[in-house]
Amino acid sequence: GDSVTQMEGPVTLSEEAFLTINCTYTATGYPSLFWYVQYPGEGLQLLLKATKADDKGSNKGFEATYRKETTSFHLEKGSVQVSDSAVYFCALSGPSSGTYKYIFGTGTRLKVLA
Amino acid sequence: NAGVTQTPKFRILKIGQSMTLQCTQDMNHNYMYWYRQDPGMGLKLIYYSVGAGITDKGEVPNGYNVSRSTTEDFPLRLELAAPSQTSVYFCASSYSPGPGELFFGEGSRLTVL
Repeated sequence: GDSVTQMEGPVTLSEEAFLTINCTYTATGYPSLFWYVQYPGEGLQLLLKATKADDKGSNKGFEATYRKETTSFHLEKGSVQVSDSAVYFCALSGPSSGTYKYIFGTGTRLKVLA
Repeated sequence: NAGVTQTPKFRILKIGQSMTLQCTQDMNHNYMYWYRQDPGMGLKLIYYSVGAGITDKGEVPNGYNVSRSTTEDFPLRLELAAPSQTSVYFCASSYSPGPGELFFGEGSRLTVL
């Protein structure tokens, strides 16, 4: 079945460092891909998404590009801030998993130090 | 904007007790979901609903029941609580089946002792 694999955390960075969180997926067909963020004590919220190959999603300085050839959707940010400390989830939704069902990765905790 | 509201936020249950987690959304979304989040395991889908009166099982439905009598409400019932149901539960809703955005509640932390 469909699945999402993302790098294990925690990831600890200093402020203004470059961030990469890896995400790869397995799916039949062409799913849509998402990054959700969960701040402490809150529910998940959508950070960015891409719906087809080569699309780049971006929001709040974060970017991710849908790479069909490598089945990846890595999250990047050029300069992280302390306020970016959160758990980041990669997810997919597509025809093979049901258009109303999402598959989430295990989450990657990011801690940014001042 | 209330969005998705879950109650209670925290609850401790004894083994064998029953309870209902409440979920209400005010966005007129047809699609609603219940997930559980276990440490290091990501989110697992328990049940979902595509509209009032229609529900279906997700990946991990055992030990749970749901109903959807209105568009707004999607309660999750635990009939005989077990320690394996200790988790954080999230309700979510979406306007369309995909690739629409999921809107999450703040979560309900349940401990079964």
